Amino acid sequence: DGGITQSPKYLFRKEGQNVTLSCEQNLNHDAMYWYRQDPGQGLRLIYYSQIVNDFQKGDIAEGYSVSREKKESFPLTVTSAQKNPTAFYLCASSINSTPAKPQHFGDGTRLSIL
Amino acid sequence: AQTVTQSQPEMSVQEAETVTLSCTYDTSESDYYLFWYKQPPSRQMILVIRQEAYKQQNATENRFSVNFQKAAKSFSLKISDSQLGDAAMYFCARFTYQGAQKLVFGQGTRLTINP
Repeated sequence: DGGITQSPKYLFRKEGQNVTLSCEQNLNHDAMYWYRQDPGQGLRLIYYSQIVNDFQKGDIAEGYSVSREKKESFPLTVTSAQKNPTAFYLCASSINSTPAKPQHFGDGTRLSIL
Repeated sequence: AQTVTQSQPEMSVQEAETVTLSCTYDTSESDYYLFWYKQPPSRQMILVIRQEAYKQQNATENRFSVNFQKAAKSFSLKISDSQLGDAAMYFCARFTYQGAQKLVFGQGTRLTINP
């Protein structure tokens, strides 16, 4: 089945540690996105990539980094510079970045601080 | 400001009845897309319905329909014949081309279905 796979489902970070969240899609989509969801709030865009080897900052990129070396993969690293990383992280993809093509979402990763 | 506002943090409805979730937004763009997403307890975001702003006809998907009032910048979701599986968080979102091309989400409305 085609879809988006996020791993791990739960992740714990120690103080000063970088952690990487995985997002893989087999939908042959060009565009990929990372969102953060805090309790009682909607999603906020962290980074997005319209095509392989290219990505742009979203609204809350500080303390995060991404790469897009392969079309199917868009990992997100939460660095030690992100002082409040506890949240639910959702990855999404779409055929392209135009709104006519809806975004498909993964099941998410919940990140907590130890 | 590119905001999307859902003024109802929680709503409840009796099974088989109809419920309407409200959404208003702010934009200076003339053409844009609006979406309703559903997030069940599994936390996966599922697209419910989509509306293109230049189309005057309200979108409909089975039991889900929208009331799109472009001048009022209002985009409400009507769920008919509510089912227990409709219980979820519902998010209204608008796609914007200004700055980062992205979806801007509202705060969400938690819908409870009473049997």
